[in-house]
Amino acid sequence: DADVTQTPRNRITKTGKRIMLECSQTKGHDRMYWYRQDPGLGLQLIYYSFDVKDINKGEISDGYSVSRQAQAKFSLSLESAIPNQTALYFCATSDSASGRAGSNEQFFGPGTRLTVL
Amino acid sequence: AQSVTQLGSHVSVSEGALVLLRCNYSSSVPPYLFWYVQYPNQGLQLLLKYTSAATLVKGINGFEAEFKKSETSFHLTKPSAHMSDAAEYFCAVSDGGFKTIFGAGTRLFVKA
Repeated sequence: DADVTQTPRNRITKTGKRIMLECSQTKGHDRMYWYRQDPGLGLQLIYYSFDVKDINKGEISDGYSVSRQAQAKFSLSLESAIPNQTALYFCATSDSASGRAGSNEQFFGPGTRLTVL
Repeated sequence: AQSVTQLGSHVSVSEGALVLLRCNYSSSVPPYLFWYVQYPNQGLQLLLKYTSAATLVKGINGFEAEFKKSETSFHLTKPSAHMSDAAEYFCAVSDGGFKTIFGAGTRLFVKA
């Protein structure tokens, strides 16, 4: 079974709709992240959470919100989707306990391909 | 501030040829450096990481990378390309804090 799962894997929606992308992990990691991937731009950080009570904005948080429902669950919402939010979205986790922060690798889910018409 | 530059958005090699994917970084503190690989329809997975131990880092699937502080580089190599190496590769840098900066990615094509 996958350690980091994302649902849905694909979603097509219309402008103005509210969308929620979900992420669950069984790795027991405390840190979770949401990234957006656009061709030629690499990954951009949307939000990150170091534990259930700690949520922080990343570099492109406008138009997005998140919820850390439990240590294992971190969801991303688009309150009112717009076409330029069409992208591939990744959830990732890391473990702050296994060495110094930053030297820890991140573990990625399979991604959600979102299309906003 | 940190940044990562991957030279070449696309690289094409013949099967059996040397693979060289270039990455240069900028960091005001000693960096942690990573290479990730992304196969089609999958998330990123770690190939290897540099954490201030040995400057030559060996990873999975026969890949290795060498940290060169004087050149601020962390190029990824593999002596002999295999068809299964075709994927997108991302270089990333972290300063030991919460944030990892990813490069734009290099797509590797392997010709038979």
